[in-house]
Amino acid sequence: DTAVSQTPKYLVTQMGNDKSIKCEQNLGHDTMYWYKQDSKKFLKIMFSYNNKELIINETVPNRFSPKSPDKAHLNLHINSLELGDSAVYFCASSLGAGGTEAFFGQGTRLTVV
Amino acid sequence: AQSVTQPDIHITVSEGASLELRCNYSYGATPYLFWYVQSPGQGLQLLLKYFSGDTLVQGIKGFEAEFKRSQSSFNLRKPSVHWSDAAEYFCAVGATGGSYIPTFGRGTSLIVHP
Repeated sequence: DTAVSQTPKYLVTQMGNDKSIKCEQNLGHDTMYWYKQDSKKFLKIMFSYNNKELIINETVPNRFSPKSPDKAHLNLHINSLELGDSAVYFCASSLGAGGTEAFFGQGTRLTVV
Repeated sequence: AQSVTQPDIHITVSEGASLELRCNYSYGATPYLFWYVQSPGQGLQLLLKYFSGDTLVQGIKGFEAEFKRSQSSFNLRKPSVHWSDAAEYFCAVGATGGSYIPTFGRGTSLIVHP
């Protein structure tokens, strides 16, 4: 199926651990994003990559590091997880910049205990 | 930088009633505007979008939205709500210049009573 897919869908881990979330899109898009959705449903952009190059890096702790090995993949690595990192993380992609709609993955619910 | 305001956190309607969800944006030029829906435990699905042209835009699932430049608004409407429409609705703006990230409003939670 053509889609944006994220793995895992659920992630429960202890404070201090390091974890990664993977994202892949097979839509032929050149721009990918990571959003964080907090408990109040607010969606906040974290990173945006265009053709594997970082174009947006909002105020996000250095513990979060995105990696884009190619245009179809944008992974998110998180070091030294904290309780406040618990949220749903969405990967999205679009063709070009914000002038076209973004297609979203199903989300990864991260719970830090 | 662009921003989006959705003034209603929750909206409750009865099944079969009409619906209007409000969205106001802030952007210096003509924006690209979107409405997304998020069902529980799901990602976001695009309902409709406005880029240019006709200010009344038709979308999926019977939704429509009207772009009003004078009011900086892009309200979402549906004439008759179904129970399956209960979800979170997000308005978003995509800039045509400068920062290209889609920026989302805080969302409006729609509750549908039988």
